[in-house]
Amino acid sequence: GDSVTQMEGPVTLSEEAFLTINCTYTATGYPSLFWYVQYPGEGLQLLLKATKADDKGSNKGFEATYRKETTSFHLEKGSVQVSDSAVYFCALSDGPGEAAGNKLTFGGGTRVLVKP
Amino acid sequence: KAGVTQTPRYLIKTRGQQVTLSCSPISGHRSVSWYQQTPGQGLQFLFEYFSETQRNKGNFPGRFSGRQFSNSRSEMNVSTLELGDSALYLCASRGWADTQYFGPGTRLTVL
Repeated sequence: GDSVTQMEGPVTLSEEAFLTINCTYTATGYPSLFWYVQYPGEGLQLLLKATKADDKGSNKGFEATYRKETTSFHLEKGSVQVSDSAVYFCALSDGPGEAAGNKLTFGGGTRVLVKP
Repeated sequence: KAGVTQTPRYLIKTRGQQVTLSCSPISGHRSVSWYQQTPGQGLQFLFEYFSETQRNKGNFPGRFSGRQFSNSRSEMNVSTLELGDSALYLCASRGWADTQYFGPGTRLTVL
């Protein structure tokens, strides 16, 4: 079955440092890939997504590129802020289309702590 | 557009009881999925409903069930609660695109 593996945390950084969270996946077909973020006491918020190979998703300074050859979708941010402290989840789904089966498979999450 | 809403936000139950959680999707979205989040197992897919039909189901016992109404609102029910059912239950809705939008979750504590 489908699976997502992401680096374990916690990742502790100083403000303005560079952040990378590795994510690799195993899937049949051509999944869509996502990064979600969860702040304490809240649900999941979509951070960015990519739906096909070589697509780059970006939002709020975060970027990730869909690499089919390495089955990876690593998350990066050039300069983190204290407000980026959260848990980040990499996920994949079957693909687009409302009629398609719809299930997200998540990685285990990576906790990021940014210190001032 | 209003986001996904879930009620109640917090619940405390005792073992053996049953519980019903509610989810209202984003207007126009017909697909609603449920996930369980625990520290030990992470985020696990429970089931998905589309146009009042269960379309996909995760690997959970039959004590976990759900339904969807004609207005796309969904409920999930857990019967004969066990301590291990304590979790954050997240609902997500999806429209035509493949992006799922999550609600704030219902925190269930089983004593």
